Amino acid sequence: NAGVTQTPKFQVLKTGQSMTLQCAQDMNHEYMSWYRQDPGMGLRLIHYSVGAGITDQGEVPNGYNVSRSTTEDFPLRLLSAAPSQTSVYFCASSRGLAGGTDTQYFGPGTRLTVL
Amino acid sequence: LAKTTQPISMDSYEGQEVNITCSHNNIATNDYITWYQQFPSQGPRFIIQGYKTKVTNEVASLFIPADRKSSTLSLPRVSLSDTAVYYCLVGDDSGGYNKLIFGAGTRLAVHP
Repeated sequence: NAGVTQTPKFQVLKTGQSMTLQCAQDMNHEYMSWYRQDPGMGLRLIHYSVGAGITDQGEVPNGYNVSRSTTEDFPLRLLSAAPSQTSVYFCASSRGLAGGTDTQYFGPGTRLTVL
Repeated sequence: LAKTTQPISMDSYEGQEVNITCSHNNIATNDYITWYQQFPSQGPRFIIQGYKTKVTNEVASLFIPADRKSSTLSLPRVSLSDTAVYYCLVGDDSGGYNKLIFGAGTRLAVHP
Protein backbone atom coordinates (compact mmCIF):
# COMPACT_ATOMS: atom_id res chain seq x y z
CA ASN A 1 0.00 0.00 0.00
CA ALA A 2 1.90 3.06 -1.27
CA GLY A 3 -0.65 5.64 -0.09
CA VAL A 4 -0.52 8.87 -2.08
CA THR A 5 2.25 9.18 -4.64
CA GLN A 6 3.27 12.25 -6.62
CA THR A 7 5.55 12.70 -9.60
CA PRO A 8 7.82 14.39 -10.30
CA LYS A 9 9.48 15.37 -7.02
CA PHE A 10 11.15 18.40 -8.57
CA GLN A 11 10.47 20.35 -11.75
CA VAL A 12 11.85 23.49 -13.32
CA LEU A 13 9.82 25.21 -16.03
CA LYS A 14 10.22 28.29 -18.13
CA THR A 15 7.49 30.89 -18.20
CA GLY A 16 4.76 29.88 -20.62
CA GLN A 17 5.47 26.16 -20.57
CA SER A 18 2.80 23.70 -19.62
CA MET A 19 3.06 20.52 -17.62
CA THR A 20 1.10 17.99 -15.64
CA LEU A 21 1.73 17.03 -12.03
CA GLN A 22 0.72 13.47 -11.38
CA CYS A 23 -1.04 12.19 -8.27
CA ALA A 24 -2.22 8.67 -7.55
CA GLN A 25 -3.63 6.90 -4.50
CA ASP A 26 -4.19 3.21 -3.90
CA MET A 27 -6.56 3.46 -0.94
CA ASN A 28 -9.77 3.64 -3.00
CA HIS A 29 -10.49 7.08 -1.58
CA GLU A 30 -13.34 9.10 -3.01
CA TYR A 31 -11.97 12.52 -2.21
CA MET A 32 -8.79 13.97 -3.72
CA SER A 33 -7.39 17.46 -3.70
CA TRP A 34 -4.49 19.64 -4.69
CA TYR A 35 -2.88 22.25 -2.48
CA ARG A 36 -0.04 24.66 -2.98
CA GLN A 37 2.26 25.81 -0.22
CA ASP A 38 4.34 28.93 -0.55
CA PRO A 39 7.35 29.51 1.72
CA GLY A 40 6.40 30.07 5.36
CA MET A 41 2.71 29.76 4.64
CA GLY A 42 -0.03 27.23 5.09
CA LEU A 43 -1.65 25.17 2.38
CA ARG A 44 -4.13 26.67 -0.03
CA LEU A 45 -6.66 24.54 -1.85
CA ILE A 46 -6.43 24.68 -5.66
CA HIS A 47 -8.95 22.10 -6.90
CA TYR A 48 -10.67 19.09 -5.43
CA SER A 49 -12.68 16.10 -6.54
CA VAL A 50 -15.42 14.23 -4.70
CA GLY A 51 -15.31 11.26 -7.05
CA ALA A 52 -14.49 10.15 -10.56
CA GLY A 53 -15.83 12.65 -13.06
CA ILE A 54 -16.53 15.35 -10.48
CA THR A 55 -14.20 18.26 -9.78
CA ASP A 56 -14.56 21.72 -8.31
CA GLN A 57 -12.52 24.81 -7.63
CA GLY A 58 -10.84 25.62 -4.39
CA GLU A 59 -9.42 28.88 -3.12
CA VAL A 60 -6.77 29.50 -5.80
CA PRO A 61 -7.81 27.72 -9.05
CA ASN A 62 -6.64 30.22 -11.66
CA GLY A 63 -3.99 28.86 -14.01
CA TYR A 64 -4.68 25.22 -13.17
CA ASN A 65 -6.89 22.51 -14.62
CA VAL A 66 -7.85 19.13 -13.22
CA SER A 67 -9.78 16.07 -14.30
CA ARG A 68 -10.68 12.83 -12.54
CA SER A 69 -11.26 9.98 -14.94
CA THR A 70 -10.50 7.25 -12.41
CA THR A 71 -10.75 6.92 -8.65
CA GLU A 72 -6.99 6.47 -8.37
CA ASP A 73 -5.62 9.40 -10.36
CA PHE A 74 -6.01 13.15 -10.07
CA PRO A 75 -3.55 15.05 -12.30
CA LEU A 76 -3.02 18.79 -12.04
CA ARG A 77 -2.26 20.68 -15.23
CA LEU A 78 -0.49 24.00 -15.44
CA LEU A 79 -1.67 25.61 -18.64
CA SER A 80 0.95 28.33 -19.07
CA ALA A 81 3.41 28.45 -16.18
CA ALA A 82 4.12 31.75 -14.48
CA PRO A 83 6.73 32.65 -11.83
CA SER A 84 3.87 33.17 -9.36
CA GLN A 85 3.21 29.43 -9.58
CA THR A 86 6.57 28.62 -8.05
CA SER A 87 5.56 26.61 -5.01
CA VAL A 88 5.38 23.19 -3.46
CA TYR A 89 2.33 21.23 -4.56
CA PHE A 90 0.70 18.60 -2.42
CA CYS A 91 -1.93 16.10 -3.40
CA ALA A 92 -4.19 14.61 -0.73
CA SER A 93 -6.93 12.03 -0.49
CA SER A 94 -9.46 10.88 2.05
CA ARG A 95 -11.96 8.08 2.34
CA GLY A 96 -15.04 10.20 2.73
CA LEU A 97 -16.32 13.63 2.01
CA ALA A 98 -16.64 14.86 5.57
CA GLY A 99 -14.08 17.62 5.55
CA GLY A 100 -14.18 18.12 9.26
CA THR A 101 -13.68 14.58 10.39
CA ASP A 102 -12.14 12.43 7.67
CA THR A 103 -8.37 12.14 7.79
CA GLN A 104 -6.54 13.50 4.77
CA TYR A 105 -3.50 11.61 3.54
CA PHE A 106 -0.93 13.76 1.81
CA GLY A 107 1.62 12.90 -0.81
CA PRO A 108 5.31 13.86 -0.53
CA GLY A 109 4.91 16.96 -2.68
CA THR A 110 6.27 18.34 -5.96
CA ARG A 111 8.62 21.30 -5.75
CA LEU A 112 8.03 23.46 -8.82
CA THR A 113 10.16 26.40 -9.91
CA VAL A 114 9.08 28.62 -12.78
CA LEU A 115 11.81 30.82 -14.26
CA LEU B 1 -15.94 29.66 8.23
CA ALA B 2 -14.42 28.75 11.54
CA LYS B 3 -11.13 30.59 11.74
CA THR B 4 -8.30 29.45 13.97
CA THR B 5 -5.48 31.39 15.59
CA GLN B 6 -2.22 29.79 16.72
CA PRO B 7 1.15 31.13 17.84
CA ILE B 8 3.50 31.54 14.91
CA SER B 9 6.40 29.79 16.59
CA MET B 10 7.49 28.06 19.77
CA ASP B 11 10.78 26.82 21.13
CA SER B 12 11.37 23.94 23.48
CA TYR B 13 14.06 21.57 24.66
CA GLU B 14 14.31 17.85 24.46
CA GLY B 15 12.40 16.04 27.18
CA GLN B 16 10.01 18.91 27.90
CA GLU B 17 6.26 18.85 27.47
CA VAL B 18 5.00 21.23 24.79
CA ASN B 19 1.52 22.71 24.72
CA ILE B 20 0.29 24.49 21.61
CA THR B 21 -2.98 26.35 21.99
CA CYS B 22 -5.36 27.10 19.14
CA SER B 23 -8.14 29.65 19.40
CA HIS B 24 -11.38 29.06 17.48
CA ASN B 25 -13.88 31.49 18.94
CA ASN B 26 -16.59 30.95 16.30
CA ILE B 27 -16.53 27.16 16.31
CA ALA B 28 -19.91 25.67 15.35
CA THR B 29 -21.80 23.04 17.27
CA ASN B 30 -20.97 20.25 14.81
CA ASP B 31 -17.32 21.20 14.26
CA TYR B 32 -14.47 18.89 15.14
CA ILE B 33 -10.93 20.00 15.90
CA THR B 34 -8.11 18.32 14.03
CA TRP B 35 -4.34 18.74 14.28
CA TYR B 36 -1.84 17.97 11.55
CA GLN B 37 1.96 17.85 11.72
CA GLN B 38 4.27 18.76 8.85
CA PHE B 39 7.96 17.98 8.72
CA PRO B 40 10.21 19.91 6.35
CA SER B 41 9.88 18.77 2.74
CA GLN B 42 6.95 16.48 3.55
CA GLY B 43 3.19 16.65 3.35
CA PRO B 44 1.13 17.17 6.50
CA ARG B 45 0.07 14.13 8.45
CA PHE B 46 -2.82 13.63 10.84
CA ILE B 47 -1.97 13.71 14.54
CA ILE B 48 -5.17 13.82 16.53
CA GLN B 49 -8.82 14.84 16.43
CA GLY B 50 -11.42 15.62 19.04
CA TYR B 51 -14.81 17.13 19.75
CA LYS B 52 -14.77 17.82 23.48
CA THR B 53 -12.90 17.06 26.72
CA LYS B 54 -9.71 15.09 26.23
CA VAL B 55 -8.42 12.77 23.56
CA THR B 56 -5.16 10.87 23.80
CA ASN B 57 -3.30 8.67 21.36
CA GLU B 58 0.23 7.33 21.11
CA VAL B 59 1.54 10.63 19.76
CA ALA B 60 -0.26 13.43 21.58
CA SER B 61 -3.14 14.58 23.74
CA LEU B 62 -5.79 17.09 22.84
CA PHE B 63 -7.53 19.12 25.52
CA ILE B 64 -10.78 20.89 24.69
CA PRO B 65 -12.53 23.00 27.34
CA ALA B 66 -16.29 22.95 27.78
CA ASP B 67 -16.88 26.10 25.71
CA ARG B 68 -14.77 24.63 22.87
CA LYS B 69 -13.47 28.07 21.91
CA SER B 70 -9.91 26.84 22.13
CA SER B 71 -7.97 23.61 22.15
CA THR B 72 -4.51 22.60 23.29
CA LEU B 73 -2.28 20.07 21.63
CA SER B 74 0.07 18.52 24.16
CA LEU B 75 3.25 16.72 23.11
CA PRO B 76 4.83 14.85 26.01
CA ARG B 77 8.61 14.75 26.34
CA VAL B 78 9.47 16.14 22.92
CA SER B 79 12.53 15.08 21.01
CA LEU B 80 14.44 16.72 18.15
CA SER B 81 12.29 14.76 15.72
CA ASP B 82 9.20 16.66 16.87
CA THR B 83 10.54 19.80 15.20
CA ALA B 84 7.79 20.55 12.70
CA VAL B 85 4.90 22.84 11.86
CA TYR B 86 1.62 22.04 13.60
CA TYR B 87 -1.72 23.02 12.10
CA CYS B 88 -5.05 23.31 13.88
CA LEU B 89 -8.17 22.91 11.72
CA VAL B 90 -11.85 23.14 12.50
CA GLY B 91 -14.62 21.60 10.42
CA ASP B 92 -17.76 19.49 10.51
CA ASP B 93 -19.14 16.33 8.95
CA SER B 94 -21.26 18.11 6.39
CA GLY B 95 -18.81 20.63 5.07
CA GLY B 96 -16.41 19.76 2.31
CA TYR B 97 -12.70 20.23 2.42
CA ASN B 98 -13.04 23.51 0.61
CA LYS B 99 -14.15 24.91 3.93
CA LEU B 100 -11.07 23.77 5.82
CA ILE B 101 -8.33 26.32 6.22
CA PHE B 102 -4.70 25.50 6.80
CA GLY B 103 -3.31 28.66 8.35
CA ALA B 104 0.38 29.29 8.76
CA GLY B 105 0.49 26.86 11.68
CA THR B 106 2.84 26.87 14.65
CA ARG B 107 6.49 26.26 13.92
CA LEU B 108 7.92 24.23 16.81
CA ALA B 109 11.67 24.09 17.21
CA VAL B 110 13.05 21.54 19.66
CA HIS B 111 16.60 22.18 20.85
CA PRO B 112 19.10 19.75 22.35
